[in-house]
Amino acid sequence: ETAVFQTPNYHVTQVGNEVSFNCKQTLGHDTMYWYKQDSKKLLKIMFSYNNKQLIVNETVPRRFSPQSSDKAHLNLRIKSVEPEDSAVYLCASSSGLGAYEQYFGPGTRLTVL
Amino acid sequence: GDSVTQTEGLVTLTEGLPVMLNCTYQSTYSPFLFWYVQHLNEAPKLLLKSFTDNKRPEHQGFHATLHKSSSSFHLQKSSAQLSDSALYYCALSDVSGGSNYKLTFGKGTLLTVTP
Repeated sequence: ETAVFQTPNYHVTQVGNEVSFNCKQTLGHDTMYWYKQDSKKLLKIMFSYNNKQLIVNETVPRRFSPQSSDKAHLNLRIKSVEPEDSAVYLCASSSGLGAYEQYFGPGTRLTVL
Repeated sequence: GDSVTQTEGLVTLTEGLPVMLNCTYQSTYSPFLFWYVQHLNEAPKLLLKSFTDNKRPEHQGFHATLHKSSSSFHLQKSSAQLSDSALYYCALSDVSGGSNYKLTFGKGTLLTVTP
């Protein structure tokens, strides 16, 4: 049963374009995350929000910016995409920080030509 | 900083044989360990998480024991099934608040079970 929704499923774009990915969770969780899963399946945290406040901002290029409108939504914008941004972007949520299970969405696969 | 090292690359097993995927970690503060599993074209989902006492978590025949003395949280199953074929991640969270509670993943182990 899907409870973390991501759109779009796939996106193909050219270098230099701007893209936005959406994420919504219906679990009533307070914490949401964005992860990047690269072609080697390495899974790395990019951002985490708790009660709409930025908690973790890993060393990602400044062209990436998260946007939180409320606790159920966390979007990701990439201002000017680069080829190395090609990856699957996974959104997740949890009911708290630390020892709580994270629920992942199906991901958005970005291909930059 | 926190880090997780797990059996890298591909592990291929015949159905019915035992499964052992290694996971060791380094953590400055108070580690909490997880195993996540990702089947092909699906999202990662939680398989197991450690307890703070000495209980051994179990799920779908898999179990893992946190050994703080050796900084390990190896994943085991007595008999592999074809449906166990998936990518397995060991992950660490510092529950004391160090590293802002972020979840650090190992590089993943791809388990393939053959008939």
